Amino acid sequence: AQSVTQPDIHITVSEGASLELRCNYSYGATPYLFWYVQSPGQGLQLLLKYFSGDTLVQGIKGFEAEFKRSQSSFNLRKPSVHWSDAAEYFCAVARPDSSYKLIFGSGTRLLVRP
Amino acid sequence: GAVVSQHPSWVICKSGTSVKIECRSLDFQATTMFWYRQFPKQSLMLMATSNEGSKATYEQGVEKDKFLINHASLTLSTLTVTSAHPEDSSFYICSAREGDRGFLETQYFGPGTRLLVL
Repeated sequence: AQSVTQPDIHITVSEGASLELRCNYSYGATPYLFWYVQSPGQGLQLLLKYFSGDTLVQGIKGFEAEFKRSQSSFNLRKPSVHWSDAAEYFCAVARPDSSYKLIFGSGTRLLVRP
Repeated sequence: GAVVSQHPSWVICKSGTSVKIECRSLDFQATTMFWYRQFPKQSLMLMATSNEGSKATYEQGVEKDKFLINHASLTLSTLTVTSAHPEDSSFYICSAREGDRGFLETQYFGPGTRLLVL
């Protein structure tokens, strides 16, 4: 069964506009949740992660994500997108029944309109 | 931040030949390294996990005799695709993790190696 779902294959936003990338997970308990960004020629970079505690997590590059247990979601947000944010974004989970290996979603490609 | 390099960044080979891909942690000691495979427009799929000095643990469905992994030192892991065939063409990504806190440690990813088998 799919552990993590990113329903949007690609999203286009205008520079300066706000952004929200969706991520839903399937697991009875709370998994450990991550957001990575993949830019061409570069390795995946960790934006932020949620293990426990405050459900609003701040990350690098002005990104944040909110864990919502009731919706099994961990959506990534940014208030104002920059052209350099254009990249592929992956949500990932680590679950104890999978030995905490990272399981990635299918990714969302972000395009930024000038 | 920690840097992981991969070499080569891309390789083209003939069907039936073997290809070796190197993964290095440049400024930290990687107690654990991972190898992933990424198909176009798809997610990363974990192939195997290796700890320095021990045999790699392969994921279900991954042929260990085809994808040979060696983690000979704390800074180097290699993936050898033996007798490569066109269906092995893909983007191979390694990642490395230091420390002994398991998944609590951050994984650092290499830039990937694109393999094309003709």
